Amino acid sequence: DAGVIQSPRHEVTEMGQEVTLRCKPISGHDYLFWYRQTMMRGLELLIYFNNNVPIDDSGMPEDRFSAKMPNASFSTLKIQPSEPRDSAVYFCACKDGPSVNTGELFFGEGSRLTVL
Amino acid sequence: DAKTTQPPSMDCAEGRAANLPCNHSTISGNEYVYWYRQIHSQGPQYIIHGLKNNETNEMASLIITEDRKSSTLILPHATLRDTAVYYCIVRVAGSQGNLIFGKGTKLSVKP
Repeated sequence: DAGVIQSPRHEVTEMGQEVTLRCKPISGHDYLFWYRQTMMRGLELLIYFNNNVPIDDSGMPEDRFSAKMPNASFSTLKIQPSEPRDSAVYFCACKDGPSVNTGELFFGEGSRLTVL
Repeated sequence: DAKTTQPPSMDCAEGRAANLPCNHSTISGNEYVYWYRQIHSQGPQYIIHGLKNNETNEMASLIITEDRKSSTLILPHATLRDTAVYYCIVRVAGSQGNLIFGKGTKLSVKP
């Protein structure tokens, strides 16, 4: 199993541009999470899905952020328009199991975003 | 969820046991203790979790005190590759939500 696959690994863009981050979870894992990590705030949950349905998006910072999961093997996190304060490492994680609270999360390698 | 307290940093000699403490004095009876670690520039990695009993796997051992107010993660023979930030997290079982990562302990394994 290749694990959680994220792309791009690094993205440098200018303020105002649209950014799309992609995630392919582990096959069969029915929970998918998007986290953001910065030095100041650490790891923060943005949104999570169960069976492709968004369950909790209370961590999404504002309307400029949106996430979709069109099928069980693909999810996107979009920022439009991007701002310098969005610079961070964005992690996708997934989990297999009946409860979001037991068992382990599998994380991808992250997408490092720099907005100039 | 119960709050956890961890030392910000620790050093350990290579080959020795690394004992990482975590206080969770407000833990509830149905909250699990989870440990994850994050090696520089990588995503967090699950290590172990437990409820009441001590747990052991191929990576580490988790010792939970009888009153469950604290726990210790033990890496029995630390290597340089164990240098990472270690996160202790407590989480209510059975409710919706996610793992909330604090600041963790930066473990430096030295030769």
